[in-house]
Amino acid sequence: EDQVTQSPEALRLQEGESSSLNCSYTVSGLRGLFWYRQDPGKGPEFLFTLYSAGEEKEKERLKATLTKKESFLHITAPKPEDSATYLCAVPFSGTYKYIFGTGTRLKVLA
Amino acid sequence: DTAVSQTPKYLVTQMGNDKSIKCEQNLGHDTMYWYKQDSKKFLKIMFSYNNKELIINETVPNRFSPKSPDKAHLNLHINSLELGDSAVYFCASSPPLGGSGNTIYFGEGSWLTVV
Repeated sequence: EDQVTQSPEALRLQEGESSSLNCSYTVSGLRGLFWYRQDPGKGPEFLFTLYSAGEEKEKERLKATLTKKESFLHITAPKPEDSATYLCAVPFSGTYKYIFGTGTRLKVLA
Repeated sequence: DTAVSQTPKYLVTQMGNDKSIKCEQNLGHDTMYWYKQDSKKFLKIMFSYNNKELIINETVPNRFSPKSPDKAHLNLHINSLELGDSAVYFCASSPPLGGSGNTIYFGEGSWLTVV
């Protein structure tokens, strides 16, 4: 059964304290893993797409990596403005439906 | 210019009423979606249209009816609203779906509260 699981559910970091968020997936024939950021009261905002194991993408303090079973979103020296919910998503096997994880709520304290 | 725009942003209505949410995208995408986000922030697909044709129709009460007059617009009409329909509804769009997954772009959401 296709599944996407994110952990931890919530994470509190001090400003400058680096950490990683996890997105584990089980889907046949991965056709992309997508990371989004969602701020309160807003729609999800696209961050990265990863297509194959070993691929990495970076944007400012964020770096996304992909293996055959999971993806990590590494946050280096986070700032309070990085506080948000981070969602990952993959297309269901053989369909156009995207499964979203339940997200990690990140809070960065000044 | 907002890429995916939906109206209204907030909607408070009584049980039993009928309401519509409108969505427009100016990204030139062929595919549009309606997602529902519940109180636990779980995003679940409801419908998808590809170039005005319904391609995804999840297990959603038939009180919910999408309509796509053209590929840039996708509206959601809800009949006989119930308390459980209270949620945030997101419109989204993406390039044509093909072998690889394509990035989905979301609107700002419509907060529906049924009282």
